[in-house]
Amino acid sequence: EIVMTQSPATLSVSPGERASLSCRASLSVSSNLAWYQQKPGQAPRLVIYGASTRATGIPARFSGSGSGTEFTLTISSLQSEDFAVYFCQQYSTWPLTFGGGTKVEIK
Amino acid sequence: EVQLLESGGGLVQPGGSLRLYCAASGFTFSTEAMSWVRQAPGKGLEWVSRISASGYSTDFADSVKGRFTISRDNSKNTLFLQMNSLRAEDTALYFCAKHSGVSYYFQSWGQGTLVTVSS
Repeated sequence: EIVMTQSPATLSVSPGERASLSCRASLSVSSNLAWYQQKPGQAPRLVIYGASTRATGIPARFSGSGSGTEFTLTISSLQSEDFAVYFCQQYSTWPLTFGGGTKVEIK
Repeated sequence: EVQLLESGGGLVQPGGSLRLYCAASGFTFSTEAMSWVRQAPGKGLEWVSRISASGYSTDFADSVKGRFTISRDNSKNTLFLQMNSLRAEDTALYFCAKHSGVSYYFQSWGQGTLVTVSS
């Protein structure tokens, strides 16, 4: 099983600032990496797939980068609606696995 | 618009059974692989099971293998999860999720149905 590790667990950021979230895979997943946003009481929402492709309706301030074992989700200028928990997920190998999540909170 | 509506959750005793349902609309259900993903209270996401578009191929997480069965009725646009021999650690919000073609990220999610295993 590929273990996905996200850091930091919590990121405190002021609105308008840049946020960078990290995701590391225990084995290479190539570019088979997705990011999800989850707000309290809601289902997760796809943000990025293929490590760097934004999902439909996702604003351009969200960008993904990386390949192999190291990945980054960057939010260039945080808006109020971006404060949430973000999960990464690899879909290179079964079983599909998620990282533990990074909570982006208001500083 | 893709819509996924789960139902069937509830309170069940350890060792009991429950059948979850996911009604799909807004896309051609019979051409898309589907999965169940769960989230224990206050915890992260755990993939549970996946079924191919035709229903002939399935996969399970080790934590549920031998206890859970996934199936689908493409004529009724419905996904199922039969859960047997339930344990306290199966307590979670269960989401059904749609994959995208042959890529196994989760393109769309339902709102989830809560399963509580407790005596």
